[in-house]
Amino acid sequence: ETGVTQSPTHLIKTRGQQVTLRCSSQSGHNTVSWYQQALGQGPQFIFQYYREEENGRGNFPPRFSGLQFPNYSSELNVNALELDDSALYLCASSPAGTVGYEQYFGPGTRLTVT
Amino acid sequence: AQSVTQPDIHITVSEGASLELRCNYSYGATPYLFWYVQSPGQGLQLLLKYFSGDTLVQGIKGFEAEFKRSQSSFNLRKPSVHWSDAAEYFCAVGAAGGSYIPTFGRGTSLIVHP
Repeated sequence: ETGVTQSPTHLIKTRGQQVTLRCSSQSGHNTVSWYQQALGQGPQFIFQYYREEENGRGNFPPRFSGLQFPNYSSELNVNALELDDSALYLCASSPAGTVGYEQYFGPGTRLTVT
Repeated sequence: AQSVTQPDIHITVSEGASLELRCNYSYGATPYLFWYVQSPGQGLQLLLKYFSGDTLVQGIKGFEAEFKRSQSSFNLRKPSVHWSDAAEYFCAVGAAGGSYIPTFGRGTSLIVHP
């Protein structure tokens, strides 16, 4: 069984640009959650998708958006990048039947905005 | 609103010594509580979780945690630390019902001396 994978590993963008981060869930997992982890901080919940529908959202502006696909892979899109968006972005997938309580994290994508 | 406090930013222990990492939470109802570990360049790995029942919870890698409702605490313990335990440790609290939107503490960095 493969774990949760994320791509790319690292990314450098310029302020104002748009970025798409990708996550591939573990087999049998139908819930995916996205987190932003700033340096020296704990992860902050961005949103969660369950069966391709948004199932909860943290305190992030609408320029953070997401998608979950029928194969349960997922994307996080961030528009109009700001310097404060520089962080490690983590996705976590959850097995069917756990409604997100049991989370398996990917290694993250390190985004740097200059 | 739920919140988590990890009062120790860094903890230093000698290899073989016992360990206790503190976590205090604020939540109106019975919380769901979690401890995660993050090694450099890695995503988060779930060590243990508490939903209900026995207040002493056993996890992976020899860790345990005790839920104390009267103290709003969920401290993580290990009787004998190994050098490979050096990592960042995060406590998280989640609300029961509906989508799981967790709140993470800012983390405690564990340093292990030989």
